[in-house]
Amino acid sequence: GQNIDQPTEMTATEGAIVQINCTYQTSGFNGLFWYQQHAGEAPTFLSYNVLDGLEEKGRFSSFLSRSKGYSYLLLKELQMKDSASYLCAVADSNYQLIWGAGTKLIIKP
Amino acid sequence: IAGITQAPTSQILAAGRRMTLRCTQDMRHNAMYWYRQDLGLGLRLIHYSNTAGTTGKGEVPDGYSVSRANTDDFPLTLASAVPSQTSVYFCASSDSSLAAGELFFGEGSRLTVL
Repeated sequence: GQNIDQPTEMTATEGAIVQINCTYQTSGFNGLFWYQQHAGEAPTFLSYNVLDGLEEKGRFSSFLSRSKGYSYLLLKELQMKDSASYLCAVADSNYQLIWGAGTKLIIKP
Repeated sequence: IAGITQAPTSQILAAGRRMTLRCTQDMRHNAMYWYRQDLGLGLRLIHYSNTAGTTGKGEVPDGYSVSRANTDDFPLTLASAVPSQTSVYFCASSDSSLAAGELFFGEGSRLTVL
């Protein structure tokens, strides 16, 4: 079966750096997405990786290793507004998105 | 810019009743999707439409139906609601149907079936 694994919850301190991991086993691979979802709101797109390596976008970076079935989202200079759930999703061979359950990130002052 | 509009925002429904969740987008995206989100689970695809006039089944289609009469509208109907359909429902759209593309989500419809 297809599976996306990510930690259920993480806690970090304001101003620090946090890395949220995602491992996947899917039928084919056509890219990996990270979305941010604040409580009670809709998910919003953060990043897309289809090739191995690091994609940087401001304070957020996303890394992909296709051979290891692994990705991480790196958040730098954490702000209180970064408290949210972070969803990892993989597009399979049919371009259907398979979603992880999300990682709830709690930022403490 | 509205993006995707869902209605209603929240609804309490008696089991056995019929319910339609509405979804309208103004971005002229070809592909549209309905997901449900339950605590502890990832988003699960109910139905999708790659273009107006076509629909397909997702991971959890049973008990739900959709139609795509035009580009903008993609309603989701529960013919006879059951308590297990209590969930938050998200409509989404993408300007890529065959290729993996960024999804734009509506604000969600919280449905409680008693």
